[in-house]
Amino acid sequence: NAGVTQTPKFQVLKTGQSMTLQCAQDMNHEYMSWYRQDPGMGLRLIHYSVGAGITDQGEVPNGYNVSRSTTEDFPLRLLSAAPSQTSVYFCASTFRASGVVEQFFGPGTRLTVL
Amino acid sequence: AQSVTQLDSHVSVSEGTPVLLRCNYSSSYSPSLFWYVQHPNKGLQLLLKYTSAATLVKGINGFEAEFKKSETSFHLTKPSAHMSDAAEYFCVVSDRTGGFKTIFGAGTRLFVKA
Repeated sequence: NAGVTQTPKFQVLKTGQSMTLQCAQDMNHEYMSWYRQDPGMGLRLIHYSVGAGITDQGEVPNGYNVSRSTTEDFPLRLLSAAPSQTSVYFCASTFRASGVVEQFFGPGTRLTVL
Repeated sequence: AQSVTQLDSHVSVSEGTPVLLRCNYSSSYSPSLFWYVQHPNKGLQLLLKYTSAATLVKGINGFEAEFKKSETSFHLTKPSAHMSDAAEYFCVVSDRTGGFKTIFGAGTRLFVKA
């Protein structure tokens, strides 16, 4: 299993540009989520999905869109990048069964918006 | 809604002395609780997890944590700090809210002095 993969690893954008951060998992997990990590603030939940076709907002959803057309993929879109979106982005996939919860994280995408 | 509070943003210990990183949580349901470690410019590594089994949980690298429902706490401890333990540590809660939405604490930076 590849686990959770994210592309790209690094990205530099100019203000106003759009881009999509890719996330894929091969573990057949229903639940996937996107976080951003900023110094002193831990990881904050942007959006999450409990299955294909179902998404919901997390703590900091503004400026981001998501979709979940398949179980495997959960892309994060920035429609018009702003410097405040400079951050490290982590995608996660969650296994749930009989009260057991385990998360698997991707390696992260470091995004800089100039 | 669930929430996590890490009571110390920074903790400094001498090598060979005990480590205590404090975490309080809030959850409307029986939570799953986790501790993750992140070394500089690295991804997230799971140290240990509590998922309603034994309240004293042992993890990797000599760390352990005790789930105390009456105190809503999940503090992380290690009897003897090593230089390689210097990193950022995140306490994480997950419960049935929002389909097992997972919330991170803001993190505690652990410094280890020689």
